[in-house]
Amino acid sequence: AQKVTQAQTEISVVEKEDVTLDCVYETRDTTYYLFWYKQPPSGELVFLIRRNSFDEQNEISGRYSWNFQKSTSSFNFTITASQVVDSAVYFCALGEETSGSRLTFGEGTQLTVNP
Amino acid sequence: NAGVTQTPKFQVLKTGQSMTLQCAQDMNHEYMSWYRQDPGMGLRLIHYSVGAGITDQGEVPNGYNVSRSTTEDFPLRLLSAAPSQTSVYFCASTYQGTSGPFEQFFGPGTRLTVL
Repeated sequence: AQKVTQAQTEISVVEKEDVTLDCVYETRDTTYYLFWYKQPPSGELVFLIRRNSFDEQNEISGRYSWNFQKSTSSFNFTITASQVVDSAVYFCALGEETSGSRLTFGEGTQLTVNP
Repeated sequence: NAGVTQTPKFQVLKTGQSMTLQCAQDMNHEYMSWYRQDPGMGLRLIHYSVGAGITDQGEVPNGYNVSRSTTEDFPLRLLSAAPSQTSVYFCASTYQGTSGPFEQFFGPGTRLTVL
């Protein structure tokens, strides 16, 4: 069975601090896909990144960066110089190779960025 | 493109009532899914479909039915509503490429309360 653990339920930081959200996953598949989604207070789910299990390159997109380490089954997300608009719930999710419609989500991390 | 649309946005039911949550997408995606989101539990998969006429159960299917007669529509039926089905329901769609599944596109959600 697939499982995603986001051990940090809530994180609170002050604006301009860097913050890392942890994601640890379990799967028996050799090919799998990892995702991060953002859910702002308005409630919609916003896609941030997709990574397949064969691509262990770290990725940077503006203030966002992702660190994928297959050896520790982790896919951590760092926000550099956080801003108040980053306040949201962030979800990590694990997808199967053969079915894009089956995602296993972590429980989410509530990030609050204070001015 | 409207993307993924869901109706209604809000619904209050009494225990034992039935209803259908509507979901439609105009992106010609083959895969569609229904998730429920409860506080502290992330999103859990209810049912999913890999194409018109093909559906399967997810993690928490009890009390729900689905059908997929067209590529565009994927309604979720609550057979006899129970207070435990109070939740926010998200519909999603995606497609499978040669490099695996792409990100899921989520609808805005339906907030359901069962009294």
